[in-house]
Amino acid sequence: AQTVTQSQPEMSVQEAETVTLSCTYDTSESDYYLFWYKQPPSRQMILVIRQEAYKQQNATENRFSVNFQKAAKSFSLKISDSQLGDAAMYFCAYRSARSGGSNYKLTFGKGTLLTVNP
Amino acid sequence: GAVVSQHPSRVICKSGTSVKIECRSLDFQATTMFWYRQFPKQSLMLMATSNEGSKATYEQGVEKDKFLINHASLTLSTLTVTSAHPEDSSFYICSARWDPHRTEAFFGQGTRLTVV
Repeated sequence: AQTVTQSQPEMSVQEAETVTLSCTYDTSESDYYLFWYKQPPSRQMILVIRQEAYKQQNATENRFSVNFQKAAKSFSLKISDSQLGDAAMYFCAYRSARSGGSNYKLTFGKGTLLTVNP
Repeated sequence: GAVVSQHPSRVICKSGTSVKIECRSLDFQATTMFWYRQFPKQSLMLMATSNEGSKATYEQGVEKDKFLINHASLTLSTLTVTSAHPEDSSFYICSARWDPHRTEAFFGQGTRLTVV
């Protein structure tokens, strides 16, 4: 079974600064997807960024980028120019690339609560 | 696009009663839907995977008879908590997969269930 570990329960960053959230995972599969989801106080889950394991290039979405190290099974999220609206719980998630039913399920880490200080 | 609507957002019910939560994909057909449970300040735990027209697949430790899942159409899945007890109080979130071109799942707004 796959596991996702987020070792930082809480992180804080000053507005306009950069912060990196850590995530490691364990899997025996060679093809899979990794995601970072944001859950603000409204508790709506919002996709921040995704990475396909077969792609060597790190994904980027505006101020958000990842450092994907497949051999190390590491998938960290970097938030640049942090904004007050970035404050939220961030979850790292894994999904198998296999087809069919429960293969599409997401396995989440425990989350990192990010505080942005003005 | 890819909007998932979950209803109700909040519900309070008496112990021993049943409550139904709906999850609808508004602008796409969802062949697979997922139900998660989230305790305060904790992660999302998958309860079951729901495929349209077939029985749901429950995760280990989840009581099938307590948490009834129905996925009768490509746009609607329901979770019914039967004979609810205070320990069932939690935040329930559904997600839907937009098959076949998208890798990510889309989430509903969640339902906060309080059993008194």
